[in-house]
Amino acid sequence: QVQLVESGGGVVQPGRSLRLSCTTSGFTYKTSTMHWVRQAPGKGLEWVAGISSSGYNKYYADAVKGRFTISRDNTKNTLSLQMNSLRPEDTAVYYCAKRESLDSWGQGTLVTVSS
Amino acid sequence: AIQLTQSPSSLSASVGDRVTITCRAGQDISSGLAWFQQRPGKAPQILIYDASSLESGVPSRFSGSGSGTDFTLTISSLQPEDFATYYCQQFHDYPLTFGGGTKVEI
Repeated sequence: QVQLVESGGGVVQPGRSLRLSCTTSGFTYKTSTMHWVRQAPGKGLEWVAGISSSGYNKYYADAVKGRFTISRDNTKNTLSLQMNSLRPEDTAVYYCAKRESLDSWGQGTLVTVSS
Repeated sequence: AIQLTQSPSSLSASVGDRVTITCRAGQDISSGLAWFQQRPGKAPQILIYDASSLESGVPSRFSGSGSGTDFTLTISSLQPEDFATYYCQQFHDYPLTFGGGTKVEI
């Protein structure tokens, strides 16, 4: 069955960096667009970034453009999110999900940005 | 960005009730809409894709309708496990966007 497992979350000071990973299995990863979605505590869902199946096309929410970088490794079936210049408002559970319809999600990893 | 306006933001209902949630897009998104259910502390789960297609394994009491700018999620007979928050999401264009959510409570 489809599995997506996020890792890499934790507590980080404002201005620092963090790298999230999403390990996948159970589907043809190399043909699927992939996405990161986040949810701040007690808030709704916010799409963060997406990447095409080849990795050539990348898309970002305005809130993270220039600070976050999405990437993928189609040989290892993994997705990454490099987060730089983190801000307190980036505090959230970060989920990876597949396809534009976000038809499968991981369990999420919590990122807390605080001094 | 395409704005999605979901209503109501919350509702109270009882087991067996018919529940309807609406989602209005700020521009024509054809059928590029999905509906999700999220229970507390859990990841969202897709219910409906392409506005009206039921995801495999989702109970048939869930249905979606609409196209263009106006969409509806209907739960025909509310069950105890359906008390949760529901979100619409458009995938017609980037950036992908979500509605604000509807919390279904007892």
